[in-house]
Amino acid sequence: DIQMTQSPSSVSASVGDRVTITCRASQGINSWLAWYQQKPGKVPKLLIYTASSLQSGVPSRFSGSGSGTDFTLTISSLQPEDFATYYCQQLKIFPLTFGGGTKVEIK
Amino acid sequence: EMQLLESGGGLVQPGGSLRLSCAASGFTFSNYAMSWVRQAPGKGLEWVSAISGSADKTYHADSVKGRFTISRDNSKNTLFLQMNSLRVEDTAVYYCVKAGQSSGWYWFDPWGQGSLVTVSS
Repeated sequence: DIQMTQSPSSVSASVGDRVTITCRASQGINSWLAWYQQKPGKVPKLLIYTASSLQSGVPSRFSGSGSGTDFTLTISSLQPEDFATYYCQQLKIFPLTFGGGTKVEIK
Repeated sequence: EMQLLESGGGLVQPGGSLRLSCAASGFTFSNYAMSWVRQAPGKGLEWVSAISGSADKTYHADSVKGRFTISRDNSKNTLFLQMNSLRVEDTAVYYCVKAGQSSGWYWFDPWGQGSLVTVSS
């Protein structure tokens, strides 16, 4: 199975900050990576697919990059509505594994 | 608008069975692979099972293999998850999800609202 390791597991940041979350795959997955946002008590929402493609309707302050084993999700200027937990997921090989999540908290 | 509506969750004793359903609308159901993803209370996301659009291919996580079966009825636009020999550790919200594009195993969008399964004596 491909292991997905996210870091950090949590981050405290202020509105306006630039936030970067990393995701590392235990083996190469090309660009078969997605990022999701989940707010407390809510359903996960797709942000980024194929590592860097922005899902329709997602603000442009979100961006994704990387290929192979190392990936990043960047929020260029954190907004109040961005405080949530973020998950990466590999879609190259079954089982389709998720990272452990990164909680973005208010500083 | 694409919609996924789960049903069938509830409280069941260890060793029992439950069948989840997911009614899909707003897209051509048979064109898309579908999956189930679960989230235990306070924990992260765990992929459970996937099925191709034509139902000729299915995949299950090792944690549920031999106990859970994913299936679909394309004539009724409905996805199912038959869960047998349930364990306490199967307690979770179960989400029905659609592949982001047709004809393949893609990212998950959208997600259903979730159905809570509680396994407890």
